[in-house]
Amino acid sequence: EAQVTQNPRYLITVTGKKLTVTCSQNMNHEYMSWYRQDPGLGLRQIYYSMNVEVTDKGDVPEGYKVSRKEKRNFPLILESPSPNQTSLYFCASSPLRTGYGYTFGSGTRLTVV
Amino acid sequence: EDKVVQSPLSLVVHEGDTVTLNCSYEVTNFRSLLWYKQEKKAPTFLFMLTSSGIEKKSGRLSSILDKKELFSILNITATQTGDSAVYLCAVESNNDMRFGAGTRLTVKP
Repeated sequence: EAQVTQNPRYLITVTGKKLTVTCSQNMNHEYMSWYRQDPGLGLRQIYYSMNVEVTDKGDVPEGYKVSRKEKRNFPLILESPSPNQTSLYFCASSPLRTGYGYTFGSGTRLTVV
Repeated sequence: EDKVVQSPLSLVVHEGDTVTLNCSYEVTNFRSLLWYKQEKKAPTFLFMLTSSGIEKKSGRLSSILDKKELFSILNITATQTGDSAVYLCAVESNNDMRFGAGTRLTVKP
């Protein structure tokens, strides 16, 4: 089944403790992206990747890192999480950046205390 | 700056009602407008619209785009409780996809 798989689904952590949210897609898509979703603000892009080893900042990149060493994986790294990063996070992939719509992962609800 | 504005932000109706959700946009180099339905998890794709005046339909859902007035509507007829969700509008340009804040629809029995 074609899908985007995110892990974990839920995560509670403490301020400053490094964490990684994994994202993997099995559709051979070139484009992958991370979003955060907050009430009243919709989906805001954190980082995106056009292809392996090609990443760029979205609208809200501060406090996040990403890497794209393989086509299928696009992990989101929070080196020193803070409470304002408490949010619902989605990974998405698409054959290209535009023109195809996105397939979303199931989401990761992160709480930083 | 590109922007996508959805209205209303929330809506409560009863089963059987018809609803209209709105999405207006200001985007440079418009390519397409997409509607997604988000229940408790990931947004799922509903429609992609690229041309004005051509209605897309899927069961009780339909959508149309007006590229002159820069908006789209999503209609749901004979609503059911299973239609309760957040409906997201997204607009693609040559370089980007930008999402609106969403409309939260609640359908009561």
